[in-house]
Amino acid sequence: AQRVTQPEKLLSVFKGAPVELKCNYSYSGSPELFWYVQYSRQRLQLLLRHISRESIKGFTADLNKGETSFHLKKPFAQEEDSAMYYCALMMYYGGSQGNLIFGKGTKLSVKP
Amino acid sequence: DTEVTQTPKHLVMGMTNKKSLKCEQHMGHRAMYWYKQKAKKPPELMFVYSYEKLSINESVPSRFSPECPNSSLLNLHLHALQPEDSALYLCASSDRQGANYGYTFGSGTRLTVV
Repeated sequence: AQRVTQPEKLLSVFKGAPVELKCNYSYSGSPELFWYVQYSRQRLQLLLRHISRESIKGFTADLNKGETSFHLKKPFAQEEDSAMYYCALMMYYGGSQGNLIFGKGTKLSVKP
Repeated sequence: DTEVTQTPKHLVMGMTNKKSLKCEQHMGHRAMYWYKQKAKKPPELMFVYSYEKLSINESVPSRFSPECPNSSLLNLHLHALQPEDSALYLCASSDRQGANYGYTFGSGTRLTVV
């Protein structure tokens, strides 16, 4: 079955500490993966997509096909990073028909 | 305009009411989506429209009826809902269905069924 697993419901770190939010996927095709962030009372926003290999707000994520992982990392957490983070997989049915499916999410809490 | 706009932001309706949720985007996106998000849960796909045609219906009960009048608008008509349908309803759009640069989400309509 195609799915996205985020093993941690809650991750709590202190300001300035490194952060790693885990994401593992199961997909028979070539995966397209994303990280979305949802700050309190705000809309779901795209944070990163693996195909662009970009760094946004200090976050990076590398696709590891061998480990089927797409972990989100930041070397020094900030209090404003506190939010819910969702890993998402674009699942294709056939041709270009795709469906974005989400992991259960990890709530990141950065303490002062 | 790079946003997806949803109205209303909040809606309280009785189980016998008929109401509609509206979603609008002016980015020229040709795929639009309805997601349902319960508290502390991830968004779950309900419907996908591609070029104004219904592409995916994820076995959603018929009390939810989507409509795409044109390429910029997406509606979700609600009728005879149950209290368990209370949730945040999210609309999203993308250049095309399955776009690999991700979707743009609206801020949602928080629906309460009483």
